[in-house]
Amino acid sequence: SQQGEEDPQALSIQEGENATMNCSYKTSINNLQWYRQNSGRGLVHLILIRSNEREKHSGRLRVTLDTSKKSSSLLITASRAADTASYFCATDALLDSSYKLIFGSGTRLLVRP
Amino acid sequence: DADVTQTPRNRITKTGKRIMLECSQTKGHDRMYWYRQDPGLGLRLIYYSFDVKDINKGEISDGYSVSRQAQAKFSLSLESAIPNQTALYFCATGPGGMDEQYFGPGTRLTVT
Repeated sequence: SQQGEEDPQALSIQEGENATMNCSYKTSINNLQWYRQNSGRGLVHLILIRSNEREKHSGRLRVTLDTSKKSSSLLITASRAADTASYFCATDALLDSSYKLIFGSGTRLLVRP
Repeated sequence: DADVTQTPRNRITKTGKRIMLECSQTKGHDRMYWYRQDPGLGLRLIYYSFDVKDINKGEISDGYSVSRQAQAKFSLSLESAIPNQTALYFCATGPGGMDEQYFGPGTRLTVT
């Protein structure tokens, strides 16, 4: 079962435009994370936002969290071709008495030069 | 040098063969994880280990086994590979269950 679901599944934009990806989850969380995966490579952590935070920035990344709607968004501003990748949200879930990360199915972002 | 390394990076094997995927990390974290990724999908947890003596099943452990040889080493075995185990396998490490995880580059496994 998946805790997080990203939307859209795929996104194609022109270089320089902003890209927005959304993540919805089902149960209460302690924090939510976003990861990037370049084609066939390992995931790279981008940003972590805690349940008591509403917005967080890191360079060209802006993450928001709305716990009342159980949703988060990742905004990449002034996109570059190098931002082409899949982006995953991950939420913590209590399973078998310990917390694990549960990953969504991802948004595939294509930034056209 | 990479913080998390996986060997092999690519492997093609036949149905019924035993195969081991190895993972090493230099982050110094106690927790290590094995995930599986199928095309177009997110990661699913196979096994995880909180220390050398603590190994736990994840969401999809059937058909897999693991060994935690040391704090820095965590291997995944397929005792008798089957075609639906064809996937991308990732090892990860992290300081805690809710914290950032550091991933290896992945092993692409094909079972024919």
